[in-house]
Amino acid sequence: DIQMTQSPSSLSTYVGDRVTISCRASQVISHYLAWYQQRPGEPPNLLIYAASTVHSGVPSRFSGSGSGTDFTLTISSLHPEDVATYYCQNYNSAPWAFGQGTKVEI
Amino acid sequence: QVRLQQWGAGLLKPSETLSLTCDVYGGSFSYYYWSWLRQSPGKGLEWIGEITETGSTKYTPSLKSRVTISIESSKNQFSLRLRSVTAADTAVYYCARGRTTSGTVAPFDFWGQGTLVTVSS
Repeated sequence: DIQMTQSPSSLSTYVGDRVTISCRASQVISHYLAWYQQRPGEPPNLLIYAASTVHSGVPSRFSGSGSGTDFTLTISSLHPEDVATYYCQNYNSAPWAFGQGTKVEI
Repeated sequence: QVRLQQWGAGLLKPSETLSLTCDVYGGSFSYYYWSWLRQSPGKGLEWIGEITETGSTKYTPSLKSRVTISIESSKNQFSLRLRSVTAADTAVYYCARGRTTSGTVAPFDFWGQGTLVTVSS
């Protein structure tokens, strides 16, 4: 099974800062990588799919990059409403595995 | 717009069977795999299994012996049963829409609201 590893596990930064979160797959998954945002008490919300395609309705400050085994989620300028936990997910092959999450705080 | 509404019992005793159902509103019910996932308190997300309208299923290996996912296509509804629960099964359970039945892989783009299931004696 494919394992997904995110770093860092948490970060604290300032409004307006650039935020970068990394995700590594234990095997090559091509570009079949998704990013989700989860606020407390809510289900995950799809942000990015196919490693770099921004999902409908997601602000343009969110972007994704990478292919193969190494991927990155970038928030170009952090807004207060971006406080959340972010997860990456492999959807190349089942079982569909998630990273352990990165908690973003201000 | 697609909406998933889930429901079921939230408090169980050890050894009982967890039972949840998810109603799907809007979109095509037959074109997708429908999944169950869970999230333990303070932990990450775990995919449990998926089903198609025709009843084709796939489960995560660690839970396969205790899980059954079923479907009621006439009601646009699918269900999860997890047998012999323990405290380790305490989690928020989600239903979600995933990949297509045409073979195109896809992430989970629509989710239910989540149901907290607590296992305690």
